[in-house]
Amino acid sequence: EDQVTQSPEALRLQEGESSSLNCSYTVSGLRGLFWYRQDPGKGPEFLFTLYSAGEEKEKERLKATLTKKESFLHITAPKPEDSATYLCAVYQVYSGGGADGLTFGKGTHLIIQP
Amino acid sequence: DAGVIQSPRHEVTEMGQEVTLRCKPISGHNSLFWYRQTMMRGLELLIYFNNNVPIDDSGMPEDRFSAKMPNASFSTLKIQPSEPRDSAVYFCASSLLAGEFTDTQYFGPGTRLTVL
Repeated sequence: EDQVTQSPEALRLQEGESSSLNCSYTVSGLRGLFWYRQDPGKGPEFLFTLYSAGEEKEKERLKATLTKKESFLHITAPKPEDSATYLCAVYQVYSGGGADGLTFGKGTHLIIQP
Repeated sequence: DAGVIQSPRHEVTEMGQEVTLRCKPISGHNSLFWYRQTMMRGLELLIYFNNNVPIDDSGMPEDRFSAKMPNASFSTLKIQPSEPRDSAVYFCASSLLAGEFTDTQYFGPGTRLTVL
């Protein structure tokens, strides 16, 4: 059972066309939700950490928000250089066994066309 | 800082051979993580170390996989014997704080492993 689901799997936008990426999670005991950007052939690059519902963080054209069940990554007036795969990860504390750690979604592949 | 360094960047080997992947974390970081990324399963945590000590290896898929961290600046992930289904991109990441998953993890460029 997937604990972290990202949608859409792929998204193609025109330059300047704002949109949102979704990350829904079913974990309990959430300790943190992370957004990463991954360019082809490279490792994930950290963007944001959100800790509690209602929290928001911004960086340039990106804004991340968190509710009790999902997080959104809003992209305002994107540029071609924003093209990448955006990964969401959650950190939960497991009770009764199981490994602590980050659980990643499969990502949203974003393409911004000039 | 050079960031997390991984070697080799690409590895092609034949089934049954031993494969060793290497990682140098960011200097001063106290946690190190090994991940595997495939199209089907996405990014999965294999094992992590705090202060050079393996804490949780429950993500390691089989006994064919082993990881070591002999000192604070070097770690290896070994697969012996390798199988075609081990083909993936393997990432190493490090973070400053030991034992705190909410701390930012910095990823290396990855090693693309192909097992024929």
